[in-house]
Amino acid sequence: DVKVTQSSRYLVKRTGEKVFLECVQDMDHENMFWYRQDPGLGLRLIYFSYDVKMKEKGDIPEGYSVSREKKERFSLILESASTNQTSMYLCASSFLLAATSYNEQFFGPGTRLTVL
Amino acid sequence: AQSVTQLDSQVPVFEEAPVELRCNYSSSVSVYLFWYVQYPNQGLQLLLKYLSGSTLVKGINGFEAEFNKSQTSFHLRKPSVHISDTAEYFCAVSAHSGAGSYQLTFGKGTKLSVIP
Repeated sequence: DVKVTQSSRYLVKRTGEKVFLECVQDMDHENMFWYRQDPGLGLRLIYFSYDVKMKEKGDIPEGYSVSREKKERFSLILESASTNQTSMYLCASSFLLAATSYNEQFFGPGTRLTVL
Repeated sequence: AQSVTQLDSQVPVFEEAPVELRCNYSSSVSVYLFWYVQYPNQGLQLLLKYLSGSTLVKGINGFEAEFNKSQTSFHLRKPSVHISDTAEYFCAVSAHSGAGSYQLTFGKGTKLSVIP
């Protein structure tokens, strides 16, 4: 079974703090993704990575950065947390197949972040 | 670019009644289509997918969906729902080729509430 784990289920931080959200997958997947999920907005892609040290911006990268030093681990960083970053954050991973092939994404359980 | 519209944000239905959750998409290229389910306080789980071939796709837990290219729809159905089907359901689309095939674009979700 594919397992995607996230370091915390719930996190409370203060405005201005630097926040690290960690994601680890155990299936040797090349692709990893960070989404944020808000009521009524669905899932929106923040960043993704298709290889170690590689990253690509998604739809809403502003206020976030990412790090991928090892294949199995993908970190989302909030340099200076703000209240509008209060959200559910979901990590996902998938194989890197040919561009015309399907890459099923497997999701972690999510981290509910509250910024006060 | 692709987009997904889920026409209903909330769908209440009585136990053992049939249900249809509607999804329309737009894309300038061929696509893969998916339905994911999110149970309370959990990550997303793949329910079913359409890649090619038969337009009627069967998934887990008795759900099925029909791909209709002319109407650009991928509606999800179940003939008889159970209390345990209470969850949020997300329709998603992935481009068939190119860099976009790595990414999923999600709808805003439909909350299915099964009433005893």
